[in-house]
Amino acid sequence: GAVVSQHPSWVICKSGTSVKIECRSLDFQATTMFWYRQFPKQSLMLMATSNEGSKATYEQGVEKDKFLINHASLTLSTLTVTSAHPEDSSFYICSARYVAGNQPQHFGDGTRLSIL
Amino acid sequence: ELKVEQNPLFLSMQEGKNYTIYCNYSTTSDRLYWYRQDPGKSLESLFVLLSNGAVKQEGRLMASLDTKARLSTLHITAAVHDLSATYFCAVITYGGSQGNLIFGKGTKLSVKP
Repeated sequence: GAVVSQHPSWVICKSGTSVKIECRSLDFQATTMFWYRQFPKQSLMLMATSNEGSKATYEQGVEKDKFLINHASLTLSTLTVTSAHPEDSSFYICSARYVAGNQPQHFGDGTRLSIL
Repeated sequence: ELKVEQNPLFLSMQEGKNYTIYCNYSTTSDRLYWYRQDPGKSLESLFVLLSNGAVKQEGRLMASLDTKARLSTLHITAAVHDLSATYFCAVITYGGSQGNLIFGKGTKLSVKP
């Protein structure tokens, strides 16, 4: 149980393109979803936290207009990287958690984004 | 601000040897996680430690938690090549961020024959 599906797993696109990444909880309702970014050989850095039906909470230094997060249902959150540039190339990982804060986060398989 | 420090960051060891990875954190937290990440992959949950003195074991890996010392250890017994991966510890923070995980920098483990 507690499967999180992330799609796509790999994206290569030209600079200036907007890219949408989906994160779905397949067998549970995720009241909270998290988006992380991981640069090569570095740790995961939290970008934002989203609760179903409300605006995402962004971490300091993360541009909310650049990284649009929508959590429209209890099973789906999307991250859109708008007008992507090479410096946005990274590994993006989502996680989902159901009920309250003491429940574990379940991680998706990640999306490798490469901007040319 | 909660900080999580792992030590060492890189570890090269021979098969059959034992070693311990350390995870220190700076403020009170009531749960600590250990994850494994293979190259190009997402995180695999290994352990969640919920209380002081908690010890969990799975195969050649054993994790422990000392909340008073704010220290967790991941002990590797008789390492095998399949254990080569990056290991992260992460601690829950309950500040304004609704129970987020703060990750250590990771320990890249390479087990050589």
